[in-house]
Amino acid sequence: QKEVEQDPGPLSVPEGAIVSLNCTYSNSAFQYFMWYRQYSRKGPELLMYTYSSGNKEDGRFTAQVDKSSKYISLFIRDSQPSDSATYLCAMRGLEGGGNKLTFGTGTQLKVEL
Amino acid sequence: GAVVSQHPSWVICKSGTSVKIECRSLDFQATTMFWYRQFPKQSLMLMATSNEGSKATYEQGVEKDKFLINHASLTLSTLTVTSAHPEDSSFYICSARDTRGLSYEQYFGPGTRLTVT
Repeated sequence: QKEVEQDPGPLSVPEGAIVSLNCTYSNSAFQYFMWYRQYSRKGPELLMYTYSSGNKEDGRFTAQVDKSSKYISLFIRDSQPSDSATYLCAMRGLEGGGNKLTFGTGTQLKVEL
Repeated sequence: GAVVSQHPSWVICKSGTSVKIECRSLDFQATTMFWYRQFPKQSLMLMATSNEGSKATYEQGVEKDKFLINHASLTLSTLTVTSAHPEDSSFYICSARDTRGLSYEQYFGPGTRLTVT
């Protein structure tokens, strides 16, 4: 079993839809949770960063963490074609001085006009 | 701020040759840089952690003699793929930690696509 599970998609939605992206994990030592956006042939770009359980909102993006269920989510409101990308969840604990990130496989999202 | 660059963005080399990839933090100092490899439709896999002025720490299964890492300054780390083979063809991405604050966040470069023929 992988430490982090993420549905690879692809996920196709119409413009303006609310998108829900999710990851589950098995390592209870993970404390910091991140969402990255990666366009084709580009490096990942940090979108959201949360610590422990709770919600965090930034513009059209909302990140949720439920540590009791080992489940994290990213919601995108009013999705735009420019949101079409692969979304990677990542998480870490304090192992290795807090350096080591464990990534999900990424969910490919396509927002259609 | 927190911009990381990589050079080259893509490279094609013949089997048996060596290739060097550079990773630079442009507007911050990074005592720690990371090298990842990403195969098509797969996630990023950490290869090694590079600390300025010391030897890199390699993940299990990564050959340190094949993937040479040098982190000679606070803004530059290099990855050299020695005696490259077609199975080394992949997307190599570096990241750097901004040491100015308490953030552990990693900022990623745009990646280097290596094709070994």
